Amino acid sequence: DTEVTQTPKHLVMGMTNKKSLKCEQHMGHRAMYWYKQKAKKPPELMFVYSYEKLSINESVPSRFSPECPNSSLLNLHLHALQPEDSALYLCASSPGGGDPYGYTFGSGTRLTVV
Amino acid sequence: KNEVEQSPQNLTAQEGEFITINCSYSVGISALHWLQQHPGGGIVSLFMLSSGKKKHGRLIATINIQEKHSSLHITASHPRDSAVYICAVRNLGDMRFGAGTRLTVKP
Repeated sequence: DTEVTQTPKHLVMGMTNKKSLKCEQHMGHRAMYWYKQKAKKPPELMFVYSYEKLSINESVPSRFSPECPNSSLLNLHLHALQPEDSALYLCASSPGGGDPYGYTFGSGTRLTVV
Repeated sequence: KNEVEQSPQNLTAQEGEFITINCSYSVGISALHWLQQHPGGGIVSLFMLSSGKKKHGRLIATINIQEKHSSLHITASHPRDSAVYICAVRNLGDMRFGAGTRLTVKP
């Protein structure tokens, strides 16, 4: 299995809802990433987990809460989002330990906040 | 100045044309990636380079480490190649992205 699987593919949520995005990989990668991508812009890094520990938080608002329950799974919990949070949320993984190869992206979750 | 610069920003070609997209970077890297993203879609990794040249089908990627420059070439372009092509560089865990090149190939 050489894929990063993200679910759901599309999500529409209200500003008072709580929802979660899920990312899964079974390549044995030890680093996992959340990115946010607005239309016609490159991805922006949100969080990095390395060996199941949060190693980078790029000053992301607390309404986004990441969780890494195990080495194969990465969640992004969403609560009280704003319409400007509507974007494509991409997950990626890599072997970790400074290995530059094997960086793999998921197909993303398109989030619309209404 | 961005650490990763791509050119051109937009490119329109006729089917069958040879296409070149360029990427220059100003930081030390451990690897350079060429990525493809179709409208509304996720990102697919096309190539990962740390030196030399790689070829996959009609796609060729080259990198010159001394000049900090990489090129992505598409031979015999096809409308299905229409997408955004993103150059990204990595140093240890950090990935830096170019702004992307929006390619449209007309039949």
